[in-house]
Amino acid sequence: DTAVSQTPKYLVTQMGNDKSIKCEQNLGHDTMYWYKQDSKKFLKIMFSYNNKELIINETVPNRFSPKSPDKAHLNLHINSLELGDSAVYFCASSQDSGEAFFGQGTRLTVV
Amino acid sequence: GNSVTQMEGPVTLSEEAFLTINCTYTATGYPSLFWYVQYPGEGLQLLLKATKADDKGSNKGFEATYRKETTSFHLEKGSVQVSDSAVYFCARENSGNTPLVFGKGTRLSVIA
Repeated sequence: DTAVSQTPKYLVTQMGNDKSIKCEQNLGHDTMYWYKQDSKKFLKIMFSYNNKELIINETVPNRFSPKSPDKAHLNLHINSLELGDSAVYFCASSQDSGEAFFGQGTRLTVV
Repeated sequence: GNSVTQMEGPVTLSEEAFLTINCTYTATGYPSLFWYVQYPGEGLQLLLKATKADDKGSNKGFEATYRKETTSFHLEKGSVQVSDSAVYFCARENSGNTPLVFGKGTRLSVIA
């Protein structure tokens, strides 16, 4: 069983479109995250949720809207996609502030 | 502040060479420290960790020792393999329900 799974793995779309990335964890963790990894491999935290509540929103544009229907799921919806949104997006989960478990990533390409 | 600084890459080594990737951190107290590895096309996975001062984390031939005197957690391996080629991230625990603080990553390429 995959601990943290996110779909899709690859996403190619045109500028201006709206898309969603889904994430699920089966570890029973209370906290989930979205990270953005740029072409230089730098990891930037975007959002953090604890028990479905938004904890951290790191100056991410309003076009990005996370949704957590329950503590095992954290989805990311992106409106009006821009070229600069092209990156790899990682979902992760942890219990408290301990070890984080990452999904395989979603490579988003905006053309 | 809370930060993690690791040596910039890329690092290119021949097979069987000795590897060191430096990592230092700033913190109040003694946070848990981690090394994560990201193989090409994959997500990050935990390589090793240390939860208190003087602890040594080890896995797959890699080691790192938690040094509170120098606030460091350098990653070492005595003999690297081509399969070790990846990006390595140093990270430290943060307080409350806040995410780990990651370094910028160091790309390692091992050539045969």
